[in-house]
Amino acid sequence: QKEVEQNSGPLSVPEGAIASLNCTYSDQGSQSFFWYRQYSGKSPELIMFIYSNGDKEDGRFTAQLNKASQYVSLLIRDSQPSDSATYLCAVKRAGGTSYGKLTFGQGTILTVHP
Amino acid sequence: EAQVTQNPRYLITVTGKKLTVTCSQNMNHEYMSWYRQDPGLGLRQIYYSMNVEVTDKGDVPEGYKVSRKEKRNFPLILESPSPNQTSLYFCASSLRGQGLPKRDSPLHFGNGTRLTVT
Repeated sequence: QKEVEQNSGPLSVPEGAIASLNCTYSDQGSQSFFWYRQYSGKSPELIMFIYSNGDKEDGRFTAQLNKASQYVSLLIRDSQPSDSATYLCAVKRAGGTSYGKLTFGQGTILTVHP
Repeated sequence: EAQVTQNPRYLITVTGKKLTVTCSQNMNHEYMSWYRQDPGLGLRQIYYSMNVEVTDKGDVPEGYKVSRKEKRNFPLILESPSPNQTSLYFCASSLRGQGLPKRDSPLHFGNGTRLTVT
């Protein structure tokens, strides 16, 4: 079992719809959870991070965390073609108050079509 | 401009020829790390450094070396490159390497180095 798993996609949604990206992790002691966006040929950039159970909203983006189910998700409301990218989930593992123990999932490719 | 600078952006080399990929950040960040990115495997950590003269292995350190003699620089060294090290490499830095979740500081990534070993 991979430490951090994502559906590689591609996930295709129409413009204006809600895109839902999911991530599961295996280490129950994981503390912090990050979503990065990576455009083709570019470097990853941080969208959001979350560390408490529940929802965290930032503009059109909502991160959801359920530690009991070891599940974190990213919702993108009113999806735009410019949201088309690969979305990477990253988890700071147990014992990892440091980025020394940050593990990425393989990424989900999102395509938003007009 | 605050940034992480990697050089070169593209590199083609032959098996066994030692090479160094440089990484420099101008943000006075304590933490620096190297990742490789391969299709279907995502980003995998090679080495990281919590501060000057403090380095540790990530998940895939075999075949790589690093050093952190100055805070701003964190070069990645391939002593004897092999074709399985053909990959896209990213350097990243963060203000702090440690901290409670509330104090997490984001990772800043360089533009990447695409390495091909023939």
